[in-house]
Amino acid sequence: DAMVIQNPRYQVTQFGKPVTLSCSQTLNHNVMYWYQQKSSQAPKLLFHYYDKDFNNEADTPDNFQSRRPNTSFCFLDIRSPGLGDTAMYLCATSRELGELFFGSGTQLSVL
Amino acid sequence: DAKTTQPPSMDCAEGRAANLPCNHSTISGNEYVYWYRQIHSQGPQYIIHGLKNNETNEMASLIITEDRKSSTLILPHATLRDTAVYYCIVTRGATNKLIFGTGTLLAVQP
Repeated sequence: DAMVIQNPRYQVTQFGKPVTLSCSQTLNHNVMYWYQQKSSQAPKLLFHYYDKDFNNEADTPDNFQSRRPNTSFCFLDIRSPGLGDTAMYLCATSRELGELFFGSGTQLSVL
Repeated sequence: DAKTTQPPSMDCAEGRAANLPCNHSTISGNEYVYWYRQIHSQGPQYIIHGLKNNETNEMASLIITEDRKSSTLILPHATLRDTAVYYCIVTRGATNKLIFGTGTLLAVQP
């Protein structure tokens, strides 16, 4: 039944070692989003794809990149993770209008 | 997008109605009010949204004041599983970009 699937559920990486988080969807939605949520904070939008069009938020660090090879998949790449990037990363999808469907998130720990 | 103000926390007895307020005094005419909730360690879940009229679905009711400057989310019979952070978000209908505020932590007590 899972509609937005994020793998892995938990990821540990070393300071400075590149890491990729993945998201897939079975809803055929054309919009996909990545959010970062640090402990005890609200989710913060990093960027989103409208079809193949990439939309970056103004305050998203350059260290964060994204790829969307097709409708179903989207990846979040962190090129050189710092300790401050430890957080839950949430993927979400939607149609042009309507509610967002979120995955369960990937908890990333940078050591 | 308009900013929202919510109380940081609220308690509710199990089986009673939970009424969660939200102020959005700078809302403009084409902006919708959305409610999501986030249970601990899970992704946010859509609850309901509205523009002007009151709305009801299987999860909750949304009451929007006539001037649209505030709204109330009503969970008619709260259960322990409704314990979560509830986010009120105001956004333009032309985009689904959700900018989350701090939300209200609702604790349902047995």
